[in-house]
Amino acid sequence: AQTVTQSQPEMSVQEAETVTLSCTYDTSESDYYLFWYKQPPSRQMILVIRQEAYKQQNATENRFSVNFQKAAKSFSLKISDSQLGDAAMYFCAYRSASREVTSGSRLTFGEGTQLTVNP
Amino acid sequence: DGGITQSPKYLFRKEGQNVTLSCEQNLNHDAMYWYRQDPGQGLRLIYYSQIVNDFQKGDIAEGYSVSREKKESFPLTVTSAQKNPTAFYLCASSINPTPIREQYFGPGTRLTVT
Repeated sequence: AQTVTQSQPEMSVQEAETVTLSCTYDTSESDYYLFWYKQPPSRQMILVIRQEAYKQQNATENRFSVNFQKAAKSFSLKISDSQLGDAAMYFCAYRSASREVTSGSRLTFGEGTQLTVNP
Repeated sequence: DGGITQSPKYLFRKEGQNVTLSCEQNLNHDAMYWYRQDPGQGLRLIYYSQIVNDFQKGDIAEGYSVSREKKESFPLTVTSAQKNPTAFYLCASSINPTPIREQYFGPGTRLTVT
């Protein structure tokens, strides 16, 4: 079974600064997908960024980028020019690329990192 | 607007009572999911359904039941057999069979059982 670990329960950053959130995972599969979701105080889950394991290039979405190290099974999220609206719980998630019904499209989540942005 | 609706936002029940949480989507998604969120534990998968009239147990299915009679609806029943039902419950959906597509989440239901 796959596991996802976020070792930083809480992180803080000054507005306009850069912060990196860590995520490691364990899997025996070679093909999979990784995601970062954001959950603000409203508790609505919002997709931040995703990465296909077969792609060597790190995904980027505006101020959000990842550092995907497949051999190390590491998937960190970098937030540049942090804004007050970035304050939220961030979850790393794993999804198998298998098309089998029993594993299919289910997500495995990490425990989350609570990010505080200080003005 | 397309999206996922969960109702109600807050739900209170007495211990020993079954309660059903609603999840409706108008995104024409094939797959639907139920997660439970507890403080410090992230989201854990309860049940999921890839197609109508079919569903699979997730990691913590004990004490829960689901049905998938319609594509747009995936209600979750929290039974009296669930030992710690108080939690935040999130419903999600995704397109099948394209695995790269992300899951879209509803706003969640906070269930409190006393």
